Amino acid sequence: EDQVTQSPEALRLQEGESSSLNCSYTVSGLRGLFWYRQDPGKGPEFLFTLYSAGEEKEKERLKATLTKKESFLHITAPKPEDSATYLCAVRSNYQLIWGAGTKLIIKP
Amino acid sequence: GAGVSQSPSNKVTEKGKDVELRCDPISGHTALYWYRQSLGQGLEFLIYFQGNSAPDKSGLPSDRFSAERTGGSVSTLTIQRTQQEDSAVYLCASSLGSPGDNSPLHFGNGTRLTVT
Repeated sequence: EDQVTQSPEALRLQEGESSSLNCSYTVSGLRGLFWYRQDPGKGPEFLFTLYSAGEEKEKERLKATLTKKESFLHITAPKPEDSATYLCAVRSNYQLIWGAGTKLIIKP
Repeated sequence: GAGVSQSPSNKVTEKGKDVELRCDPISGHTALYWYRQSLGQGLEFLIYFQGNSAPDKSGLPSDRFSAERTGGSVSTLTIQRTQQEDSAVYLCASSLGSPGDNSPLHFGNGTRLTVT
């Protein structure tokens, strides 16, 4: 059964303290892995698409990486405005399978 | 430009009543999706439209749920005889291409449905 598991459920960091969020997946034939950011009361906002193991994408303080079993979202020197829930999704065939998300809180 | 618009933003209804949720996608986006988001859970797929057709209705939880899309644009999700377990945030998304080409989804801010 296709499955996506994100860890940790919540992560509290001090401003400037770098860390990583994990997305582990089990899917028959990965056709794309996606990262989205969701702010409270808003819909998810697209960040990255990764297609194959070894691929990396960067945007400001965020870098997403992909292996055959998991993806990491690395956040470097985060700021309070990076606080949000980060969602991971994988595509198998044409449907997206979503993780439950990691709630990231950056304290000033 | 304008993003995906959903209305109402909040809806409180009594158990047993019918509700209609509306989604206005980004102009020109051919694909439209409905998802349900409950606290602590991943987004749950409900239905997908390509144009006005719904190739995949497999996620609709029961026959109380239905959806339509007209003119390749606006979509309405209808829940009949609402139950308390229907309480959730209902999200609509649209994309420029079809699911197979991995076009990013653009989400609305959702409708928070509370069934009392």
